[in-house]
Amino acid sequence: DAKTTQPTSMDCAEGRAANLPCNHSTISGNEYVYWYRQIHSQGPQYIIHGLKNNETNEMASLIITEDRKSSTLILPHATLRDTAVYYCIVRVGSGGSNYKLTFGKGTLLTVNP
Amino acid sequence: DAGVTQSPTHLIKTRGQHVTLRCSPISGHKSVSWYQQVLGQGPQFIFQYYEKEERGRGNFPDRFSARQFPNYSSELNVNALLLGDSALYLCASSLGQGYSNQPQHFGDGTRLSIL
Repeated sequence: DAKTTQPTSMDCAEGRAANLPCNHSTISGNEYVYWYRQIHSQGPQYIIHGLKNNETNEMASLIITEDRKSSTLILPHATLRDTAVYYCIVRVGSGGSNYKLTFGKGTLLTVNP
Repeated sequence: DAGVTQSPTHLIKTRGQHVTLRCSPISGHKSVSWYQQVLGQGPQFIFQYYEKEERGRGNFPDRFSARQFPNYSSELNVNALLLGDSALYLCASSLGQGYSNQPQHFGDGTRLSIL
């Protein structure tokens, strides 16, 4: 699975959009981009995933560049409860049976009042 | 609908003992994976099971073993516990083969402390 690079930490003001970047320059054509977050003392929470098109759900939007070498997770109106470690993970999405997720250190997003 | 449930939530053991951790997947999910998360690090893959068969194994010693039952629930067993086994153990479930791009969903884990 391709390696990802994320900033160690970011700050965001409550009510503003939080834009979390992720670089995955060695991504392969069959690899999906997944985003999870982990609030202290809880398990990782799935947020969103995509292959090449931009995706949006009730939690966030995922913007993937045309060359697929980077992506941005957007939380449109950050709240204090969005303070968490955010993980960007690239993984093969089809074929084979090994579905392991390879977590890096993620980005600690702190939402400030 | 219930999410992934894990038991117990907390556990304290001493070195040399063994431990069994349990996981119930989301209803309809046939694949279960186990991860270990040491303080300050991201989760690290241990095992993946699908249809009661091991489909993937991470870089963990043979002291770690797991199994999956006909109802798709799973157990993680760790023998001869070491201080370094102190961690949060996470279980994740997914639909499984044929739905391979679908995400894994995690439980809140079992916090294992070794004294």
